[in-house]
Amino acid sequence: EPEVTQTPSHQVTQMGQEVILRCVPISNHLYFYWYRQILGQKVEFLVSFYNNEISEKSEIFDDQFSVERPDGSNFTLKIRSTKLEDSAMYFCASRGAGRNSPLHFGNGTRLTVT
Amino acid sequence: EDQVTQSPEALRLQEGESSSLNCSYTVSGLRGLFWYRQDPGKGPEFLFTLYSAGEEKEKERLKATLTKKESFLHITAPKPEDSATYLCAVQAQGQAGTALIFGKGTTLSVSS
Repeated sequence: EPEVTQTPSHQVTQMGQEVILRCVPISNHLYFYWYRQILGQKVEFLVSFYNNEISEKSEIFDDQFSVERPDGSNFTLKIRSTKLEDSAMYFCASRGAGRNSPLHFGNGTRLTVT
Repeated sequence: EDQVTQSPEALRLQEGESSSLNCSYTVSGLRGLFWYRQDPGKGPEFLFTLYSAGEEKEKERLKATLTKKESFLHITAPKPEDSATYLCAVQAQGQAGTALIFGKGTTLSVSS
């Protein structure tokens, strides 16, 4: 069964550094998402992406965050200058076009900012 | 503001002891309600989508139901492999790509 893949599985970075989290969504999907989950808290929406542009973003997704689909298969989340509070699991998700198409999640990247 | 509240936060069952998890929601027009299973260190795994009050979906030992204010995930004769965190999420009316809003989840532990 096709799946969403994310790399790396764990990223450790120092405060102030830039990080890029990478995702390969399911190949025929059209909608792409980033969510995050701080330890012990809810899964929170960050941003959705459709037709090569951001379609929706949350208050969390400020100017430090950006997303890109550099080619036909990858979808990336960049954090320009990481803060301690950015430490979380970051999940990529994708869905197809159909009304009944559910969101499929990857297994996440654990980001630790020291 | 759209909100999802799940209860209980944690549930311990003996193998074979049936129970239900609750998901209460407030949303400005429901497009869909989703149940996911999340194992430790993994991403949420899709279980069910419910669209309208009265709808029911079943998969193995799990059955999801929906009313206008809440959804239940019924677990019949659970096994240890059903141990996981069960997440409920809602999608409000709007574009097809509208974000899901998640609850905190119910962590289920089933012992043999």
